[in-house]
Amino acid sequence: QVQLQESGPGLVKPSQTLSLTCTVSGGSISSGGYYWSWIRQFPGKGLEWIGFHHNSGSTFYKPYLTSRVTISVDTSKNQFSLKLTSMTAADTAVYYCARSNGVYGADFDHWGQGRLVTVSS
Amino acid sequence: QSALTQPASVSGSPGQSVTISCTGTSSDVGTYNLVSWYQQHPGKAPKLMIYEVSKWPSGVSNRFSGSKSGNTASLTISGLQAEDEADYYCCSYEGYSSWVFGGGTKLTVL
Repeated sequence: QVQLQESGPGLVKPSQTLSLTCTVSGGSISSGGYYWSWIRQFPGKGLEWIGFHHNSGSTFYKPYLTSRVTISVDTSKNQFSLKLTSMTAADTAVYYCARSNGVYGADFDHWGQGRLVTVSS
Repeated sequence: QSALTQPASVSGSPGQSVTISCTGTSSDVGTYNLVSWYQQHPGKAPKLMIYEVSKWPSGVSNRFSGSKSGNTASLTISGLQAEDEADYYCCSYEGYSSWVFGGGTKLTVL
């Protein structure tokens, strides 16, 4: 059974860069046609897909976040990472990593437990 | 890329059926049969309940069913049980390799 676990700082200062890592266990991150996503949940509870990396090597981002976000994969550590620059209070959220497959990654079937990130000075 | 529209809350008694709607546009829900539904209990990660409009992931009860008509997708929960009380979110492909979620619906089992 695949398991995902987020790690990284819980507090980020405004204008800084957020760096989170998702460690995958129970399966290789480089096998299968999977998509490896970052999704966040704002305090008001709405969910937002941030982007994902596909095992083909392609990476896709929410269009309005493209200039700020980078998702990368480290197959040697079975991890993938999120970097989000120029953080503001509006980026305060619980950040989840997730795996999906199917058509364009249609089903987010495995999720991490989430990492609360607060942006505050 | 606005969020899909869901009712803020729905409720039902044990044994009854409830339906949660998810309204998008002709650019997302109306065009692609790529709507999924997620159940989230407090403090927990979302759990996939339905994908590609009406398909069940392994292990999910068939009391949960999905459908779509035009720009609106729906999740129906039949035979309501106390443990179904949770938040539910829809999600749709919106083209250009991007996904959009709904605002969420709180289901209360009376």
